[in-house]
Amino acid sequence: QQQVKQSPQSLIVQKGGISIINCAYENTAFDYFPWYQQFPGKGPALLIAIRPDVSEKKEGRFTISFNKSAKQFSLHIMDSQPGDSATYFCAARISGSARQLTFGSGTQLTVLP
Amino acid sequence: EAGVAQSPRYKIIEKRQSVAFWCNPISGHATLYWYQQILGQGPKLLIQFQNNGVVDDSQLPKDRFSAERLKGVDSTLKIQPAKLEDSAVYLCASSGRSYGYTFGSGTRLTVV
Repeated sequence: QQQVKQSPQSLIVQKGGISIINCAYENTAFDYFPWYQQFPGKGPALLIAIRPDVSEKKEGRFTISFNKSAKQFSLHIMDSQPGDSATYFCAARISGSARQLTFGSGTQLTVLP
Repeated sequence: EAGVAQSPRYKIIEKRQSVAFWCNPISGHATLYWYQQILGQGPKLLIQFQNNGVVDDSQLPKDRFSAERLKGVDSTLKIQPAKLEDSAVYLCASSGRSYGYTFGSGTRLTVV
């Protein structure tokens, strides 16, 4: 019940295209949903996050869409750039827990020039 | 602010040997986490500290892994004896008042 399922495992997009990564969860006690970006040899870095009381959050070219009833959330990267090529992880935190994050399995994004 | 510091960056050991990793969190961050990231997978929590106390170590293989956070600042994670399946990147993260974590660059462990 604490799992976060992420898809696809890998994604190849042309420069300027839209990258979409999806995550699904079962535990309705999750109350915070961040996305992390990880470059090779680096630790994951917080990209954008959302709380379940809103359906969408946008920061620059990155947007999280959240569907509470379907228990799904997704990351959209508009106008994808080669510099966006990285591994992306969705995560979730249980309400009232000690801020522990449960991570998805990751999506390796490649943006072709 | 300075980031989360981890050392060493890389370590290669033979199975059954011991190894230790060090982490210095962001100054003032009370919560420190150790995560294990196996190649191709998401990070998995091993242990969480709040100041110098353990909050959750339910997923730490205590027969071989140990961790401490003396004085509520830096932390060490030890593996003794190491197994082949321990090959992974060990990530340290810290958090303060906000929800977000800051991760270090990790230590890549290869057990041969």
